[in-house]
Amino acid sequence: VQLVESGGGLVQPGRSLRLSCAASGFTFDDYAMHWVRQAPGKGLEWVSGINWSSGSVDYAASVKGRFTISRDNSKNSLYLQMNSLRPEDTAFYFCAKSSGLRSHFDNWGQGTLVSVSS
Amino acid sequence: QSALTQPASVSGSPGQSITIPCSGTSSAVGGYNYVSWYQHHPGEAPKLLIYDVTYRPSGVSDRFSGSRSGNTASLTISGLRAEDEADYFCGSYSRDTIVFGGGTKLTVL
Repeated sequence: VQLVESGGGLVQPGRSLRLSCAASGFTFDDYAMHWVRQAPGKGLEWVSGINWSSGSVDYAASVKGRFTISRDNSKNSLYLQMNSLRPEDTAFYFCAKSSGLRSHFDNWGQGTLVSVSS
Repeated sequence: QSALTQPASVSGSPGQSITIPCSGTSSAVGGYNYVSWYQHHPGEAPKLLIYDVTYRPSGVSDRFSGSRSGNTASLTISGLRAEDEADYFCGSYSRDTIVFGGGTKLTVL
């Protein structure tokens, strides 16, 4: 199993960024997928999750209305569209797979760093 | 502030056992059998150690074990090794969301 995040970088407050996660080594559309973040020196924070068919999505209250999770099963890829970014969104963003939206995360990527600063 | 409470740090000598507690509420940790534990070496992908309170994924050493008493879950690492030095996080399902602890840095002396 391999999960590789990309798309992070330095962005100004209020701007947008799109993260991607390329998955391999497993049947992608058998699993729910999530984004989890870790701000520098802080603990983990679940951001968003999407079920195998994209029929069910969840968001943390801190990002609801600003972030959109999506997936393309034909490309084995997960995405996170982040709009109206704030300095407090600065973090490493990890993608992770699970058997369901309420389940544990059995594989993770190494993360991509998003820095929101003027 | 994290929804689940863990000590910021613990330490132990090689060969010893240590336990990391994860304190929650009746609506997290205590109310569901969805407690999990992760090991994270900075710069690497986090690794699942324990799921559903006590279950160990295939390939994870039996030196790692999970338990729960009331609203507090615990991770025990026996026979400490240098490579166990890492950050450890607990996680739980809670009221339509997933919550984590703030993480515990384990130092192997």
